[in-house]
Amino acid sequence: QVQLVESGGGVVQPGGSLRLSCAASGFTFSSYGMHWVRQAPGKGLEWVAFIRYDGSNKYYADSVKGRFTISRDNSKNTLYLQMNSLRAEDTAVYYCAKEAAAGPWALDYWGQGTLVTVSS
Amino acid sequence: DIQLTQSPSFLSASVGDRVTITCRASQGISSYLAWYQQKPGKAPKLLIYAASTLQSGVPSRFSGSGSGTEFTLTISSLQPEDFATYYCQQLNSYPITFGQGTRLEIK
Repeated sequence: QVQLVESGGGVVQPGGSLRLSCAASGFTFSSYGMHWVRQAPGKGLEWVAFIRYDGSNKYYADSVKGRFTISRDNSKNTLYLQMNSLRAEDTAVYYCAKEAAAGPWALDYWGQGTLVTVSS
Repeated sequence: DIQLTQSPSFLSASVGDRVTITCRASQGISSYLAWYQQKPGKAPKLLIYAASTLQSGVPSRFSGSGSGTEFTLTISSLQPEDFATYYCQQLNSYPITFGQGTRLEIK
């Protein structure tokens, strides 16, 4: 069965950095695009970034462009999100999610999320 | 960026009711719209993709329709487990965006 397990969250000071990981299993990781989506406490969902199955294309939300970098290691079945210059407004649960098997029309599996708290 | 506006933002209904949630896009997105259900403390769950295709394993009381700029999610007969928050999402163009959510509560 498909499993996505995020890790790397924690408390970091404003201006600091953090790298999130998402370990994938139960599907052919190298065949699917992957997303990061976040949710601030008590708020709605915000899409963060996408990477194509082969890493050839990456897209970002304007709110994180230039500060966050999405990447993947298909040999390790792992997705990453490098977060630099963190701000208080980046505080959120970060989910990794898989592009739908039916095509890039949805995100069909999600991890359980990892909490990032940016605070001094 | 494409804005998605859901209505209503809050909905109170009873078990057995038929409910409809609307999602309007600020510009045409063809049928590149998905619906998700999220319960407190849990990850979102995909319900509908391509505006009207039911995700495998999702009960048939859920249905989606629409294209272009106006979309609906309908639950034909509410069950206790359906009380949750629902989000629409457009995947027509980047940046991908979500609606603000519709919180469905028990009356």
